[in-house]
Formats: sequence, structure tokens, C-alpha cells
Amino acid sequence: NAGVMQNPRHLVRRRGQEARLRCSPMKGHSHVYWYRQLPEEGLKFMVYLQKENIIDESGMPKERFSAEFPKEGPSILRIQQVVRGDSAAYFCASSPVLAAGNTIYFGEGSWLTVV
Amino acid sequence: EDQVTQSPEALRLQEGESSSLNCSYTVSGLRGLFWYRQDPGKGPEFLFTLYSAGEEKEKERLKATLTKKESFLHITAPKPEDSATYLCAVILPTGNQFYFGTGTSLTVIP
Repeated sequence: NAGVMQNPRHLVRRRGQEARLRCSPMKGHSHVYWYRQLPEEGLKFMVYLQKENIIDESGMPKERFSAEFPKEGPSILRIQQVVRGDSAAYFCASSPVLAAGNTIYFGEGSWLTVV
Repeated sequence: EDQVTQSPEALRLQEGESSSLNCSYTVSGLRGLFWYRQDPGKGPEFLFTLYSAGEEKEKERLKATLTKKESFLHITAPKPEDSATYLCAVILPTGNQFYFGTGTSLTVIP
């Protein structure tokens, strides 16, 4: 499958636990974006990364959320001490170069449920 | 403030009944407008990119057009399999972010 791969597809966490969401971009893509989609709301930008660099994290909550895209391996979105309000679908997208003017392609998403 | 507004929020059509979805934007210096389709429980699927006013793109029963203030997604003779949420997005001037509207939920009734 040459598309954007996300795992896990579904994740259940108790309040206070940590959630780790993984994203492998399309082959040949070096730019990764994370978006969050709350029920009945649109997709909200969280963070934009290149390999080993965070380019724009203006959409990330100031606490508990972090993202990385190491030289080797997938990009990871980490949510510490999850709360009920973190329950949402988290989508990863990738592009070969900077987003400006170029299409980004989405994965199937990771659905986080906090109980 | 940069904004993307989609209308209507929901649309029900009979199979074969053509219609249009609207996406209006207030981003200055548009660098690209994108249409995606999203099925329940799935990620957004890319449909079209439009860059300048007057541009049009077509794919099967879908046609996207762009003016200086808005874009339309025209659906000709829709089929039930066209039922989905259609999302519009623009690239913000920084070039780092796609800003999405809240979508139009389309239901096509056989």
C-alpha cells in the first residue's frame, strides 16, 4: 500500500494514560502534517514536520501534546495524560515538498476514545 | 481573519438531481483551493486543486470552479455512491497549513 499509513486505527485510553499515534508518509514524501477532527467540527491543523524538524506547531495545544518525525521511522503524535476532550479522530497527511501549492494526501485516521 | 465557509451544511438529492456545493473564502493571496471527499470512518480523499480564478477541473460527475471569492463543486446526475462529506480547504499565506471548512454532507437517495 503506497498510501499514508496510520496506526492504530482505533485506540481506547483511560483518563491520565498516554496515547501514541503513528504515521508513515507516502513513499517519497518527506513532509508530514497532523490534523484533528472533533465530532461535528472541521479538520483543525495541529503540526507540520519534516524529517527531524518541527516546522509549524501553531495548532498544537501548549501542554500534553508533542510530535516528532525522526530520521528513521514513522512520525509520532504523543498525547500525555489524556482527558475526555482529547477523544477525536487524528489524521496524518503527507506531501513531497512544502504544502504551498501542493496537494497533501491523508491517511485513514486514528480514532482515539478516552474513557 | 482567514475563513472558509461551506454551504449548505447538508444536502439531500434524488438520484439524477444535479446541484452545486459552495465554498467561500476570505484568505488573501490565495495559493490554492482544494476539494476533498470524506466517507464516514475514513480519511479525506483528494479530488481537485484550483489555483486561479476562472480555473475549472472535472472528474466523472464532479466539476470544480473557482472565482476570486468562492468555489463551487457541481455534481451532475449524482448517484448514491456520491454520498459523502465534501470538504473545501485553502492554503494559508504561510504555506504551512491547509485551512478546512466544516464540509457539506451530501446524501443521494436512490
